[in-house]
Amino acid sequence: NAGVTQTPKFQVLKTGQSMTLQCAQDMNHEYMSWYRQDPGMGLRLIHYSVGAGITDQGEVPNGYNVSRSTTEDFPLRLLSAAPSQTSVYFCASSYSGGGANEQYFGPGTRLTVT
Amino acid sequence: GENVEQHPSTLSVQEGDSAVIKCTYSDSASNYFPWYKQELGKGPQLIIDIRSNVGEKKDQRIAVTLNKTAKHFSLHITETQPEDSAVYFCAASRGGAQKLVFGQGTRLTINP
Repeated sequence: NAGVTQTPKFQVLKTGQSMTLQCAQDMNHEYMSWYRQDPGMGLRLIHYSVGAGITDQGEVPNGYNVSRSTTEDFPLRLLSAAPSQTSVYFCASSYSGGGANEQYFGPGTRLTVT
Repeated sequence: GENVEQHPSTLSVQEGDSAVIKCTYSDSASNYFPWYKQELGKGPQLIIDIRSNVGEKKDQRIAVTLNKTAKHFSLHITETQPEDSAVYFCAASRGGAQKLVFGQGTRLTINP
């Protein structure tokens, strides 16, 4: 299994540009989520999905859109990038429900908005 | 909503000594408390977790303790080794591994 994969690894955008961060997992996990990591602030939840066709907002959703058309993929869209969105973005996945539901994180995408 | 505070932000210990990282949480309904280790350039990786019906859990050199009354939990690493150097995050949630709220992180450095 490749686990959770993210592309690209690095990206530089100009203010106002749009882009999509890709995330895929091959573990048949129902739950997927996006976090951003900023210095001194830990990881903050942006959006999450409990299954194909179902998404919801996390702690910091403004400026980001998501959709979940398949179990495997959960892309994150920045519609009009702003310098405040400079961050490292992590995608994660896990099984839903109780019991052993460890979240597996991808390697991250480092985004710089100038 | 939930708020998780983590201390210290940096910790330096001699190889072989113990390291302790502490977290407090605000939501008394939180019932799942994982700890993640993040190495440079990588995503966080779960190292140990504890649920609210357990007070302590141990896995080889690492252990986690939970005090529900005081709403705090701690990570203990004994006999530290150079490969323990990393950033450690605590987290809390109401619903298992979903919708985690993370602490600010602790950069642990093991000095040879």
